[in-house]
Amino acid sequence: GAVVSQHPSWVICKSGTSVKIECRSLDFQATTMFWYRQFPKQSLMLMATSNEGSKATYEQGVEKDKFLINHASLTLSTLTVTSAHPEDSSFYICSARDLGTVVSFFGQGTRLTVV
Amino acid sequence: GDSVTQMEGPVTLSEEAFLTINCTYTATGYPSLFWYVQYPGEGLQLLLKATKADDKGSNKGFEATYRKETTSFHLEKGSVQVSDSAVYFCALGRGGATNKLIFGTGTLLAVQP
Repeated sequence: GAVVSQHPSWVICKSGTSVKIECRSLDFQATTMFWYRQFPKQSLMLMATSNEGSKATYEQGVEKDKFLINHASLTLSTLTVTSAHPEDSSFYICSARDLGTVVSFFGQGTRLTVV
Repeated sequence: GDSVTQMEGPVTLSEEAFLTINCTYTATGYPSLFWYVQYPGEGLQLLLKATKADDKGSNKGFEATYRKETTSFHLEKGSVQVSDSAVYFCALGRGGATNKLIFGTGTLLAVQP
């Protein structure tokens, strides 16, 4: 089946620094990828929809200048958390959908801890 | 708009017990319905899906039937194992690569030996 790879799986960074998370579709092309955030014991909150070759679409309440999304190719989207603060610590998950199916495939997630 | 309502957890069962996790949805038309499973510290994995009314999705002993008349997609398993302990998410989606999934709140299942 289709695979979505997310990297890194975990990262610890200092307050004020930026962190980049990559999401790759390994065996299919994805014109659209989705970025989610998950708090402990809670459901996934959609942050933004990443569109290849154009600007991302952010959900209400998500700061686009803080969570920079770049979708430069049909197989790669990146999420950069800029000037990270402890409250940004969370589990970030990406997903992509193969054009030929209705199924979304998820990356393994990135655990971000800001100290 | 579309929404998914899922029973709250945690659900705690003994090994070999019968499992039901309720899921109902609100949507117009005929969306696709999914169950995803999340093991601790990992991303989501598709467990099963159904794309039209009366379809039954099944995988690894889990089943769910798309019931349009009751707008439900309840997850069932006849005999759970400790390894089934995870968070289960019911989700609704529509065709088209740009259409996002709508998730339920997730249900934590804990199976005790």
